[in-house]
Amino acid sequence: DAKTTQPTSMDCAEGRAANLPCNHSTISGNEYVYWYRQIHSQGPQYIIHGLKNNETNEMASLIITEDRKSSTLILPHATLRDTAVYYCIVRGPLIYNQGGKLIFGQGTELSVKP
Amino acid sequence: EAQVTQNPRYLITVTGKKLTVTCSQNMNHEYMSWYRQDPGLGLRQIYYSMNVEVTDKGDVPEGYKVSRKEKRNFPLILESPSPNQTSLYFCASSLSRGVETQYFGPGTRLLVL
Repeated sequence: DAKTTQPTSMDCAEGRAANLPCNHSTISGNEYVYWYRQIHSQGPQYIIHGLKNNETNEMASLIITEDRKSSTLILPHATLRDTAVYYCIVRGPLIYNQGGKLIFGQGTELSVKP
Repeated sequence: EAQVTQNPRYLITVTGKKLTVTCSQNMNHEYMSWYRQDPGLGLRQIYYSMNVEVTDKGDVPEGYKVSRKEKRNFPLILESPSPNQTSLYFCASSLSRGVETQYFGPGTRLLVL
């Protein structure tokens, strides 16, 4: 699975959009980009994932560049409850990941401030 | 409500006293997995199971056992706990081990004295 690079920490004002970048320059054509978050020692929570196209759900939007070497997670209206560590994970399909594990890097610690 | 549950949530024990951490999911998922999380080391996979009676080692299986006798349950067994197994443990499940979303339990914080 491809390695990802994320900023260590970011701040965001409450009510503003939070844009969290992720670099994955060695991503392969069949690898997906996933985002999870972990709120202070709780279980990681799935946010969104995508392959090539931009994706949106009730939690966030995922923008993947055309060359797929980077992506941005967008929380459109951040709240204090969005304060968490956000993990960008690149993961291939079944035959390339026999253990099915998710490889969590250090992530980005997002602080949403009033 | 679709969820992964773990029990106990907190446990303090002593070296050598066998313990079991239970994990249960109500989503009819085939794939289940255990991770441990330690400061500076992130989440590391201990064991996983692709279906009933099918289990395999992850990256850090030493000192742990698992079983998968039913689809919904995947207990983690520490036969003889040691202080280096003090950690935060998470159980996860997904439809299969492919690219599907993994759902995590709330975590079990274990302290071995």
